[in-house]
Amino acid sequence: GAVVSQHPSRVICKSGTSVKIECRSLDFQATTMFWYRQFPKKSLMLMATSNEGSKATYEQGVEKDKFLINHASLTLSTLTVTSAHPEDSSFYICSARTLGVDTEAFFGQGTRLTVV
Amino acid sequence: AQTVTQSQPEMSVQEAETVTLSCTYDTSESDYYLFWYKQPPSRQMILVIRQEAYKQQNATENRFSVNFQKAAKSFSLKISDSQLGDAAMYFCAYRSAGGAQKLVFGQGTRLTINP
Repeated sequence: GAVVSQHPSRVICKSGTSVKIECRSLDFQATTMFWYRQFPKKSLMLMATSNEGSKATYEQGVEKDKFLINHASLTLSTLTVTSAHPEDSSFYICSARTLGVDTEAFFGQGTRLTVV
Repeated sequence: AQTVTQSQPEMSVQEAETVTLSCTYDTSESDYYLFWYKQPPSRQMILVIRQEAYKQQNATENRFSVNFQKAAKSFSLKISDSQLGDAAMYFCAYRSAGGAQKLVFGQGTRLTINP
């Protein structure tokens, strides 16, 4: 099956700093990538959808300036959490799929972000 | 907007027994996809099974099968011959056939397998 690699798997950063999370599709062209946030023992909440070469579409309530998403190539999307605060601590998951109605979305391993 | 509801926060089953996880959804669309994902302690999301709404036949993948009732908007997952490795969070998810095709997840059901 298709592989999506997310890096880093864990990151700790200080309040006020920015942290970047990468999501790569290793063996297919990801025309669309999705970024989710998952709180402990909760479901996945979609943050934004990004299409290669276009601006990301953010879900209601997600701050665009805090969660910067870049999808500059067909194999890489990045999520940058800017000016991180402890409340941004969470598990972030990306998924990627290629163009087509019937194509699957494949998930990365997730990134646990801790802001101290 | 579409919604997905999993009314069982936790379920448990004896090893080798059968368990059914419930899922209902709300949509006005006629063409869509439904999925069950497994999230083990590693947190990696794993696709268990998918169902196309236009197909009347219920999907089956080895020990996993679904009961898809389109009129009732119900999509349950049956796990037969439960194994210890089946222990995980299970999420039901909906995806439109058109538009952004983003996944909408249910709240999840934590499945425990008792040896």
